[in-house]
Amino acid sequence: IAGITQAPTSQILAAGRRMTLRCTQDMRHNAMYWYRQDLGLGLRLIHYSNTAGTTGKGEVPDGYSVSRANTDDFPLTLASAVPSQTSVYFCASSDSWGDGYTFGSGTRLTVV
Amino acid sequence: QKEVEQDPGPLSVPEGAIVSLNCTYSNSAFQYFMWYRQYSRKGPELLMYTYSSGNKEDGRFTAQVDKSSKYISLFIRDSQPSDSATYLCALSRQGAQKLVFGQGTRLTINP
Repeated sequence: IAGITQAPTSQILAAGRRMTLRCTQDMRHNAMYWYRQDLGLGLRLIHYSNTAGTTGKGEVPDGYSVSRANTDDFPLTLASAVPSQTSVYFCASSDSWGDGYTFGSGTRLTVV
Repeated sequence: QKEVEQDPGPLSVPEGAIVSLNCTYSNSAFQYFMWYRQYSRKGPELLMYTYSSGNKEDGRFTAQVDKSSKYISLFIRDSQPSDSATYLCALSRQGAQKLVFGQGTRLTINP
């Protein structure tokens, strides 16, 4: 089934640890995005990539990094996790603006 | 001021009711308007997409855009318990791939 796969589905992480959230799409979409979703704050863009080899900062990039080595994969890394990074993280992709975004099922991350 | 404002609710209505969900925005450069539906513990999925002012109908769902008032709406007719979800509006500018999302409205349809 075409779409976006995120892993892990959930994780409890000790503060200060490094973690990479994985995102893979099989639709050959050019653009990919990472959002975090928090109660009362909605979806906030962390980082994005318009095409393989390029990345950009979104609304809340601090504490996160991304890479886009190829079209399909867009991992998000937390270098040193803090409790305020407890959230649900969604990866999304799009081809053209007219098609909207396709979202993954999310990763629930708890930093303790 | 946020670019897109959406009442977070929660909104609870009886089965069969007509539901109206709304967003307002401040930037007249927005040209593309979408509604996403998100079930609990799932990712958002695209429900409706409209371009510029006017109405678009898809089954029990109607998306309405009023660019003069910077106001968009999603109407659900004959609402069903399966419509219970969070609904997010999303807007984009001409030539821009990045979407700006509303906060989302949590809707519950009571049997």
